[in-house]
Amino acid sequence: KAGVTQTPRYLIKTRGQQVTLSCSPISGHRSVSWYQQTPGQGLQFLFEYFSETQRNKGNFPGRFSGRQFSNSRSEMNVSTLELGDSALYLCASSLTGNEKLFFGSGTQLSVL
Amino acid sequence: GENVEQHPSTLSVQEGDSAVIKCTYSDSASNYFPWYKQELGKGPQLIIDIRSNVGEKKDQRIAVTLNKTAKHFSLHITETQPEDSAVYFCAASRDTSGTYKYIFGTGTRLKVLA
Repeated sequence: KAGVTQTPRYLIKTRGQQVTLSCSPISGHRSVSWYQQTPGQGLQFLFEYFSETQRNKGNFPGRFSGRQFSNSRSEMNVSTLELGDSALYLCASSLTGNEKLFFGSGTQLSVL
Repeated sequence: GENVEQHPSTLSVQEGDSAVIKCTYSDSASNYFPWYKQELGKGPQLIIDIRSNVGEKKDQRIAVTLNKTAKHFSLHITETQPEDSAVYFCAASRDTSGTYKYIFGTGTRLKVLA
């Protein structure tokens, strides 16, 4: 069974640009969560989607948004990038959202 | 707000020794406590978890203990091996509107010295 797939693996952007990250969950998993990981800060929850609806949201500005498609694949968008947005963005899937989380390898975003 | 404190931030042990990582959570409604291992260049991988109705759980060389009264939980790794070197994260979560809301600790970098 294929794991959680995130693309692209690395991204380099400049301030002010926008970026879209993609996540394909494990087959059959309907819940997708996104986390931001920075050194010393651990994993910060961005949002969670289930059946194309955002069910939970963390404390991030509105520049961070996401969506989920009918096949459970999810995308995350960050607009007007800032230097502080440089981080590893992790996607995690689970069957319905109240089971174990399975993480992808992440997208490393660098904002210059 | 809800918080999970994790200590130590770095831990070095000799191969074969034991390692212990401790976490404290603030939300008394938390009822699920997973531990994740993250190797370089990879995403976190679940290694063991415990629910609030259990005080201890063991899986080969790894064990987790939970003290609900003190809101503490710990990861114990015995007979450490070089491949145990990684960053370990604890998390506390509770059911929120039908889904778990996870709060992660800031991680412990474990180095096992051969």
